[in-house]
Amino acid sequence: DQQVKQNSPSLSVQEGRISILNCDYTNSMFDYFLWYKKYPAEGPTFLISISSIKDKNEDGRFTVFLNKSAKHLSLHIVPSQPGDSAVYFCAASVDQTGANNLFFGTGTRLTVIP
Amino acid sequence: DTAVSQTPKYLVTQMGNDKSIKCEQNLGHDTMYWYKQDSKKFLKIMFSYNNKELIINETVPNRFSPKSPDKAHLNLHINSLELGDSAVYFCASSRLGTSPDTQYFGPGTRLTVL
Repeated sequence: DQQVKQNSPSLSVQEGRISILNCDYTNSMFDYFLWYKKYPAEGPTFLISISSIKDKNEDGRFTVFLNKSAKHLSLHIVPSQPGDSAVYFCAASVDQTGANNLFFGTGTRLTVIP
Repeated sequence: DTAVSQTPKYLVTQMGNDKSIKCEQNLGHDTMYWYKQDSKKFLKIMFSYNNKELIINETVPNRFSPKSPDKAHLNLHINSLELGDSAVYFCASSRLGTSPDTQYFGPGTRLTVL
C-alpha cells in the first residue's frame, strides 16, 4: 500500500522557467514531508522539507507548498537550471518509537532543457 | 571524506548464494537504515538500527539479516538469494531526535541475481 504517490514519472521544462513537481499522500499522521534529489548512480540527497503545521517553506530557488486538506504537496523550482535535471523523490515521515520511518514516492524525472 | 559509503557498488551472483553488502557512515549518526529500490523505482525501507538495536523490520523475508558491529556500520546479509532480490539497495543514516529526520544516503549497491 503506497502511502506517498508521485503520479508524474517525468517532466520537461525549459531553462529559466518554473518546474512544479507534485506529490500526494494518504496518511494524515505524517508529520514532515521531504524532497530528495537523485542523480544516476548516486544515492538520494536531501533537498528541502516542510513540517505538517506549515504550508510553505522556501530555500533559495526551491519552495515547497503543503495543502493538508488535499493531502498534496508540491516542489517549485524557479528558475530551473540544467543542473536541476535529476529524479526527485517526495518522502513523508511519521514519528515512531526510536526512529522516523520515511515513506517514499516513486519519483519524478525532471529534465531541464537548455 | 564520503559520508555514507557502501561496498560493493555492483554485485552479480547466482540464485541460492549468500552475499553481504557493507555500509559505513562517518557522520556520527546513531541510526542507520537499509532501503530497497525495486524495478519500479519504489524506494522502501527494510531495516533501521539505533544504538545496535533493530527498530523497524518491514515484512522483510528472514533471509535478510542486518548486522551492526558498531554505530558506524550496518551490514546487510542475504541468504539463499532469489531472482526477486535483484534491486538497488541503499544504506542511509540519521541522527535520532532531529526533526525532520534528514537521512543521508549511500550511493547504492546494484544486486543482480542470475
